[in-house]
Amino acid sequence: AQTVTQSQPEMSVQEAETVTLSCTYDTSESNYYLFWYKQPPSRQMILVIRQEAYKQQNATENRFSVNFQKAAKSFSLKISDSQLGDTAMYFCAFYNNNDMRFGAGTRLTVKP
Amino acid sequence: KAGVTQTPRYLIKTRGQQVTLSCSPISGHRSVSWYQQTPGQGLQFLFEYFSETQRNKGNFPGRFSGRQFSNSRSEMNVSTLELGDSALYLCASSLGVFGGDQETQYFGPGTRLLVL
Repeated sequence: AQTVTQSQPEMSVQEAETVTLSCTYDTSESNYYLFWYKQPPSRQMILVIRQEAYKQQNATENRFSVNFQKAAKSFSLKISDSQLGDTAMYFCAFYNNNDMRFGAGTRLTVKP
Repeated sequence: KAGVTQTPRYLIKTRGQQVTLSCSPISGHRSVSWYQQTPGQGLQFLFEYFSETQRNKGNFPGRFSGRQFSNSRSEMNVSTLELGDSALYLCASSLGVFGGDQETQYFGPGTRLLVL
């Protein structure tokens, strides 16, 4: 079965600085999707960024980018120029063949 | 365009009762997925519906069931409630079957269920 591991339960970063959240996963599949979701204190989950495993190019969305290392089964999220509104729980997720798995989450606090 | 809505937002039930939660997807979206979020187990996939058909189901007992109507609205039902069913239940919708290229899930605010 697929598993997703986020080894950093909590992290903090100063406003305007850069932070990287880690995620590793375990699968024997070659085709899958990876996601980072953000869940702010208000609880509504939103998609931050997605990566298709067959694409070698790392996905980027404005200040958010990923470092996808397929061989190492690693999918880290880099947040540049951190803003107070980035304070949230961040979940890494894996999807393949109708199976969706989430990591335990990383609580990120951006400090002014 | 209105987002995903879930009703009720909060619910208190007692053990042994049954509960029905509702999810209205974004207009035009045909796929609805349900997730359970608890402090202990984290986020877990419950099931996904597309065009009134359950496409897949997570590792949950038969007490958890769902359905989808022709207007894409979905309900999930939990029978014989247990204390461990206390959780935030999230619903998410997408245009097509989740997992396709460029498909994005949009989440609702969730229904918080407390079982006493």
